[in-house]
Amino acid sequence: GIQVEQSPPDLILQEGANSTLRCNFSDSVNNLQWFHQNPWGQLINLFYIPSGTKQNGRLSATTVATERYSLLYISSSQTTDSGVYFCAVATQAGTALIFGKGTTLSVSS
Amino acid sequence: DGGITQSPKYLFRKEGQNVTLSCEQNLNHDAMYWYRQDPGQGLRLIYYSQIVNDFQKGDIAEGYSVSREKKESFPLTVTSAQKNPTAFYLCASSIDLTSGGQLRSGELFFGEGSRLTVL
Repeated sequence: GIQVEQSPPDLILQEGANSTLRCNFSDSVNNLQWFHQNPWGQLINLFYIPSGTKQNGRLSATTVATERYSLLYISSSQTTDSGVYFCAVATQAGTALIFGKGTTLSVSS
Repeated sequence: DGGITQSPKYLFRKEGQNVTLSCEQNLNHDAMYWYRQDPGQGLRLIYYSQIVNDFQKGDIAEGYSVSREKKESFPLTVTSAQKNPTAFYLCASSIDLTSGGQLRSGELFFGEGSRLTVL
């Protein structure tokens, strides 16, 4: 099956810093989504982005499907950005999303 | 409010017992999913269903069973055959989209999860 690798596994930032999270995948995809899991376990959908670039406030994402990677940018980080960020993809053969292992972000004030 | 409701939030089970986790959605979504999360492992797909009375196995279906008798409901049973059932279980749903003749899921929405501990 498809492999999804996220980097870095852990990231520690001071409030106000910027960061880039990466998601590499091993096969062609027709679906890619980014999620944030808060410390209480709730998962929130950040972006539905199988290709192209999207922005939502301080967060933006870019997917280059032909090169099999996606990037999530967090600018001016805040303590509330802490948690785990997951990338999930689906191939053209199926609809269920397969998740990477996530990047754990800790933002301190 | 529209959303996905999972229950119970916390559940303790003795070894050898079956337990059923509930998942209900009022978003009118076609597809529903069950994932398991272990520390440091990300989310792994157990089962998913794109239509009533039909479902497919995911990567770790052994020891689990599901049913989809209604569009709104997708309960998961953790059977005694599941060797290591202690985990955080997440239910999700999405609209199915068709683009260029291909079926794919829309945005995935999650419930708050059920934390199962086997004593």
